[in-house]
Amino acid sequence: QKEVEQDPGPLSVPEGAIVSLNCTYSNSAFQYFMWYRQYSRKGPELLMYTYSSGNKEDGRFTAQVDKSSKYISLFIRDSQPSDSATYLCAKWSSFGGSRLTFGEGTQLTVNP
Amino acid sequence: GAGVSQSPRYKVAKRGQDVALRCDPISGHVSLFWYQQALGQGPEFLTYFQNEAQLDKSGLPSDRFFAERPEGSVSTLKIQRTQQEDSAVYLCASSLNPGEAYEQYFGPGTRLTVT
Repeated sequence: QKEVEQDPGPLSVPEGAIVSLNCTYSNSAFQYFMWYRQYSRKGPELLMYTYSSGNKEDGRFTAQVDKSSKYISLFIRDSQPSDSATYLCAKWSSFGGSRLTFGEGTQLTVNP
Repeated sequence: GAGVSQSPRYKVAKRGQDVALRCDPISGHVSLFWYQQALGQGPEFLTYFQNEAQLDKSGLPSDRFFAERPEGSVSTLKIQRTQQEDSAVYLCASSLNPGEAYEQYFGPGTRLTVT
């Protein structure tokens, strides 16, 4: 079993839709949870991170962590064509050698 | 400010050739990471440096892979006797200090194709 599981999609939505991207993880030792956005032929770009459980909001983006169910979510409100990219969830622990452990990414297309 | 830069951006190597990939981290960042990303997959950890010390190389797939960061800034990932399965994007990331390595900033990657 992979430590981080992510539905690869692809996911296609109309402009303005609310997008929900999800991951599950298997190791409770992880402390921080991140979402990265990766455009084609570019490096991953850190969108936001959360510590422990709860929500964190940044503009149109909301990250949610539910440690009891080991579930990580990213919500995008009022989605735009410029949001079309691959979204990667990741987790990190200071006990895990500082590496990030990634899901395989979900490819999102927002259609105008 | 300047982000993480990598060179070359694209590299084509014939099977059996040696390659060297360079990473310039964000100035002042103590931690440096290398990841390998296969097509359609998330990045996979290769190795980690804290300053010039290589603290974790458990992700390197074989002894053909070697990384160094001799002065604690620029890093080089070397692959000897390249094989087709080495074809991937190699990503470098840096973070300001080890205690905050959850905040890693990535370069654009080097796309390696082995023919």
